[in-house]
Amino acid sequence: GNSVTQMEGPVTLSEEAFLTINCTYTATGYPSLFWYVQYPGEGLQLLLKATKADDKGSNKGFEATYRKETTSFHLEKGSVQVSDSAVYFCALTSDGGSYIPTFGRGTSLIVHP
Amino acid sequence: EPEVTQTPSHQVTQMGQEVILRCVPISNHLYFYWYRQILGQKVEFLVSFYNNEISEKSEIFDDQFSVERPDGSNFTLKIRSTKLEDSAMYFCASSDYGSSGANVLTFGAGSRLTVL
Repeated sequence: GNSVTQMEGPVTLSEEAFLTINCTYTATGYPSLFWYVQYPGEGLQLLLKATKADDKGSNKGFEATYRKETTSFHLEKGSVQVSDSAVYFCALTSDGGSYIPTFGRGTSLIVHP
Repeated sequence: EPEVTQTPSHQVTQMGQEVILRCVPISNHLYFYWYRQILGQKVEFLVSFYNNEISEKSEIFDDQFSVERPDGSNFTLKIRSTKLEDSAMYFCASSDYGSSGANVLTFGAGSRLTVL
């Protein structure tokens, strides 16, 4: 079946620090990969996605590269801001079954001024 | 920007009581979902709904649960005879292209259910 494993949080950083949140996956079929973000009091929203191997998704300074050889989709940002404080969810859909997204447990990011 | 709205934001109930969680999906979306997240655990898929019927459900979605689209705009999750382990955040979501690998969901802010 499909599963997503994310690093445990919380991740606590100072403003302008480099961010990496690890995500690895297992999938039946060929997956599409996603990062969603949940800001306090809001629903999950799409941050970025990649639908085939070696694609890089990017948005708002965040990037993630679809690595088939390591089954990974790590989220990175070169310089975080306080406003990036949120919970980040890695997810996948797969053509090996339904296209219903499978999510990880989420990683909380706290950025201090 | 269109959004998914959920009510109530927080509900406290006694064990054994029935609970209805309500959602208004984005109006032109065709696929609707319920997920839940028990504190500290993964966001788990419960059920998907398309063309006025359940299209897929997980093992969690047993006879205790039911979904309905009563009036063309609301999408409800009913939990009969709640148990302590039903305490969780319940997320409603919708999408307009549920049969594609690039299926992107729009989520509501969630309804926190606390069963005492």
